[in-house]
Amino acid sequence: GDSVTQMEGPVTLSEEAFLTINCTYTATGYPSLFWYVQYPGEGLQLLLKATKADDKGSNKGFEATYRKETTSFHLEKGSVQVSDSAVYFCALRKTSYDKVIFGPGTSLSVIP
Amino acid sequence: DAGITQSPRYKITETGRQVTLMCHQTWSHSYMFWYRQDLGHGLRLIYYSAAADITDKGEVPDGYVVSRSKTENFPLTLESATRSQTSVYFCASRGQGGPSEQYFGPGTRLTVT
Repeated sequence: GDSVTQMEGPVTLSEEAFLTINCTYTATGYPSLFWYVQYPGEGLQLLLKATKADDKGSNKGFEATYRKETTSFHLEKGSVQVSDSAVYFCALRKTSYDKVIFGPGTSLSVIP
Repeated sequence: DAGITQSPRYKITETGRQVTLMCHQTWSHSYMFWYRQDLGHGLRLIYYSAAADITDKGEVPDGYVVSRSKTENFPLTLESATRSQTSVYFCASRGQGGPSEQYFGPGTRLTVT
């Protein structure tokens, strides 16, 4: 069945470090891909998305590129801040009628 | 308030009690979802609904009941709470069509003693 795999962490980085969180997926067809972020004590919120191969989603300095050939959607940020400390979820959805399938989440802590 | 809200935000109940978690959204979204979030399990889908009066099971439906008589409300009931149902519960909603975003509520932290 369809699934999403991501590094579970926890990941600890110093402020201004480069961030990569790996995400790969298994799905037939051409799913839409998403990154959601969950700040402490809150619900998930959409960070960025990409709907077709080679699309790049970006928001708040984060980027991810939809790579069909490697079935990947890695999240990157050039310089993390303490305020980026959160749990990040990679997710996919095949059609507008399907459920979203979430990865297990990656906890990120950024220390000053 | 606009958006998606959940109540209560925190609840402590005893084993065997019935408890209902409420979810309300103001966008008239077709789809609504209930997830539970537990350490080591990530997010797991309990139930979902594609429209009023249409509900379906997710990954972990046992011990839960849902209803959707109105588009904007999607209550989740634990008919006889067990300790294994201690968790954080998130409601979400999504419109129909396209790669539409799924919006999450703030969560309800439920403790069953």
